[in-house]
Amino acid sequence: QKEVEQDPGPLSVPEGAIVSLNCTYSNSAFQYFMWYRQYSRKGPELLMYTYSSGNKEDGRFTAQVDKSSKYISLFIRDSQPSDSATYLCAMKANAGNMLTFGGGTRLMVKP
Amino acid sequence: EAQVTQNPRYLITVTGKKLTVTCSQNMNHEYMSWYRQDPGLGLRQIYYSMNVEVTDKGDVPEGYKVSRKEKRNFPLILESPSPNQTSLYFCASSLAGGGTDTQYFGPGTRLTVL
Repeated sequence: QKEVEQDPGPLSVPEGAIVSLNCTYSNSAFQYFMWYRQYSRKGPELLMYTYSSGNKEDGRFTAQVDKSSKYISLFIRDSQPSDSATYLCAMKANAGNMLTFGGGTRLMVKP
Repeated sequence: EAQVTQNPRYLITVTGKKLTVTCSQNMNHEYMSWYRQDPGLGLRQIYYSMNVEVTDKGDVPEGYKVSRKEKRNFPLILESPSPNQTSLYFCASSLAGGGTDTQYFGPGTRLTVL
């Protein structure tokens, strides 16, 4: 079993929809949680990061961490075609430790 | 412009022929790392470096070597490539590898080993 699980999709939604992307993990030591966006033929870019449990909002994006359930989510409000990409969750236990990535979820937002 | 560059972007080679993929960053970052990305497996870390002359193994180091002689450069060396090293490779850097440090990724190198 992988340490971080993520549904590969693809997830197809109409423009304007609310999107929910999720990851589950097994390592209770993870404290730092991140979401990366990766466009086709590009390297990943950091979207959001959260330390420990709780919510964090940045514009149309909200990241949620539930450490008790070992479950993290990324919500995208008012989704746009430009949001079409692969979304990767990543996490690590301590500062300086290596990141463990989920396999990525491919999102397609149709106009 | 702040960036991580990799070369080459695409490479087709044959089994056993030594190759080097270069990585360079212009942000004076201390922390650099190499990942490979395979379908369904996500990104897996190969090696990382906390600073000059300091390197350590990641998740999947077998068959790879790295060196960090200068702060800006972190080449990935495949001494004897094999077909199972066919993958998409990313170099990344961050200020110090801390918990909330942003990792900046290069554009990727698509390697095919025949």
